[in-house]
Formats: sequence, structure tokens, C-alpha cells
Amino acid sequence: EAQVTQNPRYLITVTGKKLTVTCSQNMNHEYMSWYRQDPGLGLRQIYYSMNVEVTDKGDVPEGYKVSRKEKRNFPLILESPSPNQTSLYFCASSSQTSGRADTQYFGPGTRLTVL
Amino acid sequence: SQQGEEDPQALSIQEGENATMNCSYKTSINNLQWYRQNSGRGLVHLILIRSNEREKHSGRLRVTLDTSKKSSSLLITASRAADTASYFCATDHKGGSARQLTFGSGTQLTVLP
Repeated sequence: EAQVTQNPRYLITVTGKKLTVTCSQNMNHEYMSWYRQDPGLGLRQIYYSMNVEVTDKGDVPEGYKVSRKEKRNFPLILESPSPNQTSLYFCASSSQTSGRADTQYFGPGTRLTVL
Repeated sequence: SQQGEEDPQALSIQEGENATMNCSYKTSINNLQWYRQNSGRGLVHLILIRSNEREKHSGRLRVTLDTSKKSSSLLITASRAADTASYFCATDHKGGSARQLTFGSGTQLTVLP
């Protein structure tokens, strides 16, 4: 089954404790992206990757890191989480057939709480 | 920055009625997409309409695009309780980074049985 998976689905942590949220897709997509979703703000893009070893900042990259060492994986790293990073996070992937932003396939989400 | 803005923010209708949601955006686009999100779940792609298209259909969904008004509408006909969800428009705007979609804040649709 074609899918995007994220782990963990739920995470409660404390300020300053480094954490990683994993994202994996099995559709051989070149493009992957991370979003955060907050009430009233919709989805905001954190980082995206056009292909292996190619990453770029989205609209709200501060406090986050990503890496793309393999095509299928795109982990999101919070080196020193803060309470304002409490949010619902989504990973998404897309093929690159048209060269533009086409249909994106979303993971189930990771609900992060930073105390 | 927010590109697409949905209207209304919330919509409540009876089962069997049609639901119309609107999306306005600020700068020229390559394409506009509509997504659905059930509470707390991932978004699911519904339909994509390109800037040179004016209308598109998919099952009970009808999407229109008016590039002169920088707006789009999503019509769900003969709504069902299972259509209850949040609906988002997302735009790929010209001059922006390739592969970057900008999402609006969504319309919460409630279909009452």
C-alpha cells in the first residue's frame, strides 16, 4: 500500500530535550516536505526536499533541522525544543512529474507537546 | 505567508444539501488544489485545477477557478454525514519556489444527519 508513515504519532517532551520525528514514504517520490498545523493558522511549511541531499527552508524553519540521506526518509529534528513548537506535524511527499507542486500525500501526523 | 484563504471558516448544513466553500488568493498561481482533513488526521488530496482550467469535476465534487478574481470554489453536492471534515485550498504560486504549496486555514464543514 502506498503510504507516508510518521513516528511517533504522539510525543510529550520537555524543553531542551532533542528529539527526532521520522518520516518515510514507499512511493519513490523525489519531493518531501514537513508542515506544522496550528489552530487558525492552517498548515505552514517548515522544510522541504527536492531530492536526496537537497533541502530548503519553508516558511517557518527556525528551530528545526532536516536531512535527506535516502530518498524514502526525511526526518525532522528539533535540537532544543521549546513550548512554542507544540503543534501537529505532518510529513508529505510528491512525485516530480510536472516540475511543479503537484498532489501531495500526507502522513497521519505527529502530535508534539513540549512542556 | 498565507496565500489561500477559505471562506467561510465554518459551515453547517443538512445531509443532502450542497456545500460551497470559497478560496481567495493574492498572487498568480500555477495550480490550486483542494484537500480534506478529518479531525486530527492527515490531509487527503481531492482535486487539482491548473491555472488554464476553469472547472473540474470529480464525483460529487466540482471545483471552479476564476483567475481574474483570484478565487476558487469547491462544491460538494448531495452532502453526506461522512463529508464532515475540514477543507483546505493550497496554491502553487508563480514566482514561488517549485514544489512549495501554500495552504489556507481551512473551512470546517459539518453535515448533520
